[in-house]
Amino acid sequence: NAGVTQTPKFQVLKTGQSMTLQCAQDMNHEYMSWYRQDPGMGLRLIHYSVGAGITDQGEVPNGYNVSRSTTEDFPLRLLSAAPSQTSVYFCASSPASGYSYNEQFFGPGTRLTVL
Amino acid sequence: AQKVTQAQTEISVVEKEDVTLDCVYETRDTTYYLFWYKQPPSGELVFLIRRNSFDEQNEISGRYSWNFQKSTSSFNFTITASQVVDSAVYFCALSVITGGFKTIFGAGTRLFVKA
Repeated sequence: NAGVTQTPKFQVLKTGQSMTLQCAQDMNHEYMSWYRQDPGMGLRLIHYSVGAGITDQGEVPNGYNVSRSTTEDFPLRLLSAAPSQTSVYFCASSPASGYSYNEQFFGPGTRLTVL
Repeated sequence: AQKVTQAQTEISVVEKEDVTLDCVYETRDTTYYLFWYKQPPSGELVFLIRRNSFDEQNEISGRYSWNFQKSTSSFNFTITASQVVDSAVYFCALSVITGGFKTIFGAGTRLFVKA
């Protein structure tokens, strides 16, 4: 199993550009999520999905869109990049277990710089 | 609202010392889950432990131990006889179901273990 994969690993954008961060998992996990990690702030939840066709907002959703058309893929779209979106982005997945939480499996991260 | 506080930003110890990382959480939910993750210098996030709110048993795994106390809303992590390989950022996280399946991370504690 490849686990959770993210592409690209590094990206530099200019203000106003758009792009999609890709995330895929091969563990058949229902729950997937996107976080951003900024110095001194831990990880903050951007969006999450509890299954194909279902997405919801996390703590910091503004400026980001997501969709979940398959169980495997959960792309994150930046519609118009801003310098405040410079961060390291992590995708994670977790097996569903009714109304309980299981541990999350994280991808290697994408380091994004917006100039 | 949910909150996780890791008051120790950085800790520096000498190899073989014991070290405790503090985690204090806030939630009004009666059902919740607590986690610890490790982020070594390579950047990936590694799951260490999960605990639900109904299980206050302390846990020991090799040199790692966790102390969960609902009375003080704390979930502290102790490393016994620390090693250089323990150098990493450690995150405490809280997951609740009210308002959606969301996980809140603390800001993290950076642990330096010197040889």
